[in-house]
Amino acid sequence: EAGVTQFPSHSVIEKGQTVTLRCDPISGHDNLYWYRRVMGKEIKFLLHFVKESKQDESGMPNNRFLAERTGGTYSTLKVQPAELEDSGVYFCASQGLGTEAFFGQGTRLTVV
Amino acid sequence: DQQVKQNSPSLSVQEGRISILNCDYTNSMFDYFLWYKKYPAEGPTFLISISSIKDKNEDGRFTVFLNKSAKNLSLHIVPSQPGDSAVYFCAASATPGGYQKVTFGIGTKLQVIP
Repeated sequence: EAGVTQFPSHSVIEKGQTVTLRCDPISGHDNLYWYRRVMGKEIKFLLHFVKESKQDESGMPNNRFLAERTGGTYSTLKVQPAELEDSGVYFCASQGLGTEAFFGQGTRLTVV
Repeated sequence: DQQVKQNSPSLSVQEGRISILNCDYTNSMFDYFLWYKKYPAEGPTFLISISSIKDKNEDGRFTVFLNKSAKNLSLHIVPSQPGDSAVYFCAASATPGGYQKVTFGIGTKLQVIP
């Protein structure tokens, strides 16, 4: 069974540009989460989808971040325009009924 | 304001000995606690969890202890093996099973010396 897959694994963009991160959850998992880890700090919650609906987006930093999960399958997280403080590792996790959350390998975003 | 605190950034243990990783939390609403292990360039991997109705959960070499009155939990690994060398994250959720956001600590880097 395929795990949680994230694309790209690494992205370097200039301040002001746009970046879109993608997450493919484990098939059948209704719950999908986005988290972010800034260098040396804790892994922080961004938002939670149940199928295609946003269950909790209390962790989204500001309106430069937009997450979507069309059709309740894969999800994208777009940052527009990117700022220096957006640098970090973005993790996606998916969770099914009766399972723990499984994390992807992360996307390392560097804004220069 | 960190609601989950891991005050030891690193820990070194000899192979075969016990590793004890500690975690404190401040939010009384937390009902479910987890430990994740993370290797470099990989995502966190679930290790073990405990519900607030228990004070101990064991899975092979890994045991988690929960002290609700002290708002503290600990992870014991015995015997420690070199492959256990990783960053360990303590995490907590306000719902059983964690079907909502999980709050993580900053992590403790464990090094098991052969």
